[in-house]
Amino acid sequence: NAGVTQTPKFQVLKTGQSMTLQCAQDMNHEYMSWYRQDPGMGLRLIHYSVGAGITDQGEVPNGYNVSRSTTEDFPLRLLSAAPSQTSVYFCASKLGGTGANVLTFGAGSRLTVL
Amino acid sequence: DQQVKQNSPSLSVQEGRISILNCDYTNSMFDYFLWYKKYPAEGPTFLISISSIKDKNEDGRFTVFLNKSAKHLSLHIVPSQPGDSAVYFCAAIYNFNKFYFGSGTKLNVKP
Repeated sequence: NAGVTQTPKFQVLKTGQSMTLQCAQDMNHEYMSWYRQDPGMGLRLIHYSVGAGITDQGEVPNGYNVSRSTTEDFPLRLLSAAPSQTSVYFCASKLGGTGANVLTFGAGSRLTVL
Repeated sequence: DQQVKQNSPSLSVQEGRISILNCDYTNSMFDYFLWYKKYPAEGPTFLISISSIKDKNEDGRFTVFLNKSAKHLSLHIVPSQPGDSAVYFCAAIYNFNKFYFGSGTKLNVKP
């Protein structure tokens, strides 16, 4: 069981470039989400999805796009990267429903925007 | 403004003693609280949780206390072990889908 898999682990971009951070889970979790971790700020929710075809915004959605075409995958797209998006990004998933409260996290993707 | 706050960025404790990590929150509508542990270069891993209808939950060496009137929760680790050295995040859930995390407390347990 791989759990939550994120790729790439490291990425360096130039300002204005686009890229996609990949996230896949093999636990049949309905809920998937993206966070960014910045020093002194903890983990902040970017976008989340409660199932295929359903996405919603979190605390810091600006500059990021998501879509959920399958249960397993939840990619995060940066259309025009900015230095302010330099961060460590975590994907996390959980079972759906009101009784499921524990997120399982991936290992993270470190992004640097020059 | 952060809805979940951990005001102590770091904590140092001697092995065998108690570690107490604190967390404050502002939103009275949070219905579930969790603690996560994070080692460098890894994702956070779940440690322990508590529902808003309870005031205490225990799991081995770890106990979480919730004081709703003070909007405060704490994590007690007894006895502390060097392997507990990590960053600890508290988190709160709103409406079952939105998770809010604190900024983390780095615990160092000295042998």
